[in-house]
Amino acid sequence: NAGVMQNPRHLVRRRGQEARLRCSPMKGHSHVYWYRQLPEEGLKFMVYLQKENIIDESGMPKERFSAEFPKEGPSILRIQQVVRGDSAAYFCASSQNRDTYGYTFGSGTRLTVV
Amino acid sequence: SQQGEEDPQALSIQEGENATMNCSYKTSINNLQWYRQNSGRGLVHLILIRSNEREKHSGRLRVTLDTSKKSSSLLITASRAADTASYFCATDANQGNKLVFGAGTILRVKS
Repeated sequence: NAGVMQNPRHLVRRRGQEARLRCSPMKGHSHVYWYRQLPEEGLKFMVYLQKENIIDESGMPKERFSAEFPKEGPSILRIQQVVRGDSAAYFCASSQNRDTYGYTFGSGTRLTVV
Repeated sequence: SQQGEEDPQALSIQEGENATMNCSYKTSINNLQWYRQNSGRGLVHLILIRSNEREKHSGRLRVTLDTSKKSSSLLITASRAADTASYFCATDANQGNKLVFGAGTILRVKS
């Protein structure tokens, strides 16, 4: 079991470009969560998805950010027209039974906007 | 201030000493979790304590939960240099879909 896989580990984008971050949950997990971490801060919830459904996107910025978790393939967090303030570490987590086992986090994607 | 605030912000101890970190939160919770993050890495789940539990142990870790005070503590006994990391508490609210993290405690264990 390879755990939660995120790629790429590091991503550099120029202002105005698009960033696509990928997350494959642990085998058997159908719930995916995305979090963002700014330097020296805790993680902030962005979105919670199940296969083909967005369950809770209360933490997503209203513009430029979108997420999906298709029937086949990884979950994608997409940031359009990136700005310097989007520079952060983006973590994906999945869970089998979050009330018992908590969440398993991936190693994150560190996005740098130049 | 936000849910899940850790105290202290930073802690420096000698190897072999015990480290205690505290966490306070504001709303009712389903459970409270502690995570460790090594510099530049992802989070590792350490321990989960449910709202109806008062204490939980895992190896050198001991977590307490006081729901009347809305607080939790993480004790690491006989610390090692490898315990150097940031430690976060996170609350999972009733009927919630997300974890709410504090800003973390930076622990440095000197050998």
